[in-house]
Amino acid sequence: QSVLTQPPSASGTPGQRVTIFCSGSSSNIGSNSVNWYQQVPGTAPKLLISSNNQRPSGVPDRFSGSKSGTSASLAISGLQSEDEADYYCAAWDDSLNAVVFGGGTKLTVL
Amino acid sequence: QLQLRESGPGLVKPSETLSLTCTVSGGSIGSTSYYWGWIRQPPGKGLEWIGSLHYSGNTYYSPSLKSRVTISGDTSRDQLSLKLSSVTAADTAVYYCARPPHYYDRTGAFDIWGQGTMVTVSS
Repeated sequence: QSVLTQPPSASGTPGQRVTIFCSGSSSNIGSNSVNWYQQVPGTAPKLLISSNNQRPSGVPDRFSGSKSGTSASLAISGLQSEDEADYYCAAWDDSLNAVVFGGGTKLTVL
Repeated sequence: QLQLRESGPGLVKPSETLSLTCTVSGGSIGSTSYYWGWIRQPPGKGLEWIGSLHYSGNTYYSPSLKSRVTISGDTSRDQLSLKLSSVTAADTAVYYCARPPHYYDRTGAFDIWGQGTMVTVSS
């Protein structure tokens, strides 16, 4: 059971906007920044969003992140077939004194 | 350009100690204030943070693994090491080393990753 909760799956059609949510608590998302990763099976995760809403260099602006209270979300607009991947949220947890990950959301582009 | 490469045995017997090395090239672990991390991923499952190391020796470990894990660094060789004792089949996973984007960053952001190394625990 992951400390951060994500839906196991999400889907959308090309061009659509999709949002993936990540739910936590006051000791993690509620008091620390959230990061998002994209992982294509068989490859290492790629940092997509850091500090709630910051895109590292090279990440398209179709990807955006936000946080409110103890929840965070990753939005993907203009969905493309290449966006089909697993997405993970992560944050520091003050109570556990540890980095915690969500269980991951498998995004399917229909 | 900084690159990370994990290496070590691909097969470990149950109850033994898993030992992996992460070699850093194009950079140094001893002159920068990053919290270098180890993360693992069991087959078909999600990511799990194992722990992080600062070159000063400061370490943070996952509470669920803390009793079995040791992460250390060799600044002369720019290598990180991971040791996980008393392994079971549940420790079978791809093991990654990674670096955060900023000094002193312990938020769970890692922007540079190794390619990962698969470790199977089996007799």
